[in-house]
Amino acid sequence: ETGVTQTPRHLVMGMTNKKSLKCEQHLGHNAMYWYKQSAKKPLELMFVYNFKEQTENNSVPSRFSPECPNSSHLFLHLHTLQPEDSALYLCASSQDRGPYTDTQYFGPGTRLTVL
Amino acid sequence: AQKITQTQPGMFVQEKEAVTLDCTYDTSDPSYGLFWYKQPSSGEMIFLIYQGSYDQQNATEGRYSLNFQKARKSANLVISASQLGDSAMYFCAMREGAGAQKLVFGQGTRLTINP
Repeated sequence: ETGVTQTPRHLVMGMTNKKSLKCEQHLGHNAMYWYKQSAKKPLELMFVYNFKEQTENNSVPSRFSPECPNSSHLFLHLHTLQPEDSALYLCASSQDRGPYTDTQYFGPGTRLTVL
Repeated sequence: AQKITQTQPGMFVQEKEAVTLDCTYDTSDPSYGLFWYKQPSSGEMIFLIYQGSYDQQNATEGRYSLNFQKARKSANLVISASQLGDSAMYFCAMREGAGAQKLVFGQGTRLTINP
């Protein structure tokens, strides 16, 4: 099931470039997430959006700028990144039902390399 | 202290054998959820199975079952009749609080199925 899609799948950028990652979910969910997966480190939550509103920023540097225009789309705008930002960036979505939240479903990820 | 601990960096199993992947967790919240995800080399995190802290029975999904031992704070994943396609990274994750959206992941176990 390709309920969550991400583009591009691979991205190589220089430190002075500006690029954006895109995520789209086709599951009718109302919450979306960005995660970062670096080599030899556990998956780290970056941002959470509920009904287009950002509800969590996990101390992410300002060179990462998320945008959520609606409940189905999530972007991650990148500018002046560092080589240590090279990682797999995963998007996820879930249904937030108030008192509890359902399972998060992930996209295939964007593998980012910063030169 | 680590919230999720997966002590097996790598596991090698013969095809058709059963395999148990270990996961221990640490929380003082009485309401929590435990998840297992599979990540093939393609990168996508695939949801496998969920266990809620108040669930009386161990969760099962096809060939996957979760050996939930609450007093020991362990949530081991059991894969029966392993297949070559089971070769992947496996991550245990926890959500603290029923309404929480943050997932905390372990370091993962790389499972290799040998023919």
